[in-house]
Amino acid sequence: DGGITQSPKYLFRKEGQNVTLSCEQNLNHDAMYWYRQDPGQGLRLIYYSQIVNDFQKGDIAEGYSVSREKKESFPLTVTSAQKNPTAFYLCASMDRAHYNEQFFGPGTRLTVL
Amino acid sequence: DQQVKQNSPSLSVQEGRISILNCDYTNSMFDYFLWYKKYPAEGPTFLISISSIKDKNEDGRFTVFLNKSAKHLSLHIVPSQPGDSAVYFCAARESGGSNYKLTFGKGTLLTVNP
Repeated sequence: DGGITQSPKYLFRKEGQNVTLSCEQNLNHDAMYWYRQDPGQGLRLIYYSQIVNDFQKGDIAEGYSVSREKKESFPLTVTSAQKNPTAFYLCASMDRAHYNEQFFGPGTRLTVL
Repeated sequence: DQQVKQNSPSLSVQEGRISILNCDYTNSMFDYFLWYKKYPAEGPTFLISISSIKDKNEDGRFTVFLNKSAKHLSLHIVPSQPGDSAVYFCAARESGGSNYKLTFGKGTLLTVNP
């Protein structure tokens, strides 16, 4: 059963702590993405990666970091430098051979207290 | 600067009637457009798409129309069902070197009343 998994569904952290959000896909997709959704803001691109060991900043990369050591995995770290980290985070992947549609995971709701 | 605009934050329609969701864009380099549907606390799911070489694409109850000269697209849902109640995002892909990225609108909340 192919798909994208994000864990956990809900995450709570204290202010000032770094936190890493997991994203795993078994679709054999080359490209992976991280988005943030805030009420009334749509989906904003944080980072994306087209191939292993390579990634680029999106529109709102400040305060975030990523790694892409394996094709299946694209973890996102929300650092203490991110001023407003509380949001719904979505991971997506895409097959570069058919680069028309991105498939999304179920999302992680991060709340920083 | 918003390149993809969904100017209606919400839309309410009666079950069985037509729902029309609108999307405008400013970037003339966009060559592929997608609609996603999203329920609360879930990831978006792909609904329908259209290439810039077409002006219409149909899939069951869902039809997307593209007017390139007006830089406008719309999603028609006929007939609307209560299960269609969700947020609908319009997205666009740019041709050329940035074609791995999608630019999303802010979404329109559709409510279909029984």
